[in-house]
Amino acid sequence: GAGVSQSPSNKVTEKGKDVELRCDPISGHTALYWYRQSLGQGLEFLIYFQGNSAPDKSGLPSDRFSAERTGGSVSTLTIQRTQQEDSAVYLCASSLQEWYGYTFGSGTRLTVV
Amino acid sequence: GENVEQHPSTLSVQEGDSAVIKCTYSDSASNYFPWYKQELGKRPQLIIDIRSNVGEKKDQRIAVTLNKTAKHFSLHITETQPEDSAVYFCASYNAGNMLTFGGGTRLMVKP
Repeated sequence: GAGVSQSPSNKVTEKGKDVELRCDPISGHTALYWYRQSLGQGLEFLIYFQGNSAPDKSGLPSDRFSAERTGGSVSTLTIQRTQQEDSAVYLCASSLQEWYGYTFGSGTRLTVV
Repeated sequence: GENVEQHPSTLSVQEGDSAVIKCTYSDSASNYFPWYKQELGKRPQLIIDIRSNVGEKKDQRIAVTLNKTAKHFSLHITETQPEDSAVYFCASYNAGNMLTFGGGTRLMVKP
C-alpha cells in the first residue's frame, strides 16, 4: 500500500486480557519501529526491526510486551495480561533505511478497562 | 544513550508572527535531525529534516537550523497560520539506529 497500515484502529480490552496489534509497513521499507504515545505525551520507543537482524527490544517496558516481524514485512506487537497503564496510542513507523525519516501509521488506540 | 530536550513545551503566537522551537541533543555522533508535525488525533508527519553536513534548510515558511558545535537545532515557522497549530516533535538519529524524540511543543496560532 501507499502508507503504513495499522489495525485495529481502536481496541478496548479488559484488564488481564492479551491483545495483538498489527503493522503493515510500506513495501520495500527495511526498518520498522514501534512507539507508544500516552495522552498528551511524547513518543516512547518500544522496539526496532531492521531487515533480518535481531530486533532492538531495549524500549519494551516489561516482559508482557513482545513483537515479531514475519518475512521482513508485517509486524505484530503483543501485550499479555494488559494493565490500565498500557492504555495509549501505539504507533508503528517504517523507513527505507534506518537513517531516513519515518513514515508513521495512524496508530492503534488501546484502552484497557 | 541519546537524550533530546525540546523547548518550549507550549507556544502561543498571533497569526502572522514567527514561531521558534529549539532542541538540544547529547550525542555528538548524531547526524540526522527530522521534525514532525502531529495534528490532534492524527499521525506524526515529517515536515522537514536536516543532515549534519548542512547548517540550514528552508522549505517555504519552514526552516531548520543546526549548530553542531553547540549540539542544538531549531525549527522556524514564519507568517504563522491557524493551520500550523499542532504538536511539533524534533528528533535525532545516531548510530543507535533509531530516532530519539523530544518531548514535543504544542503550538497554538491565534487568529
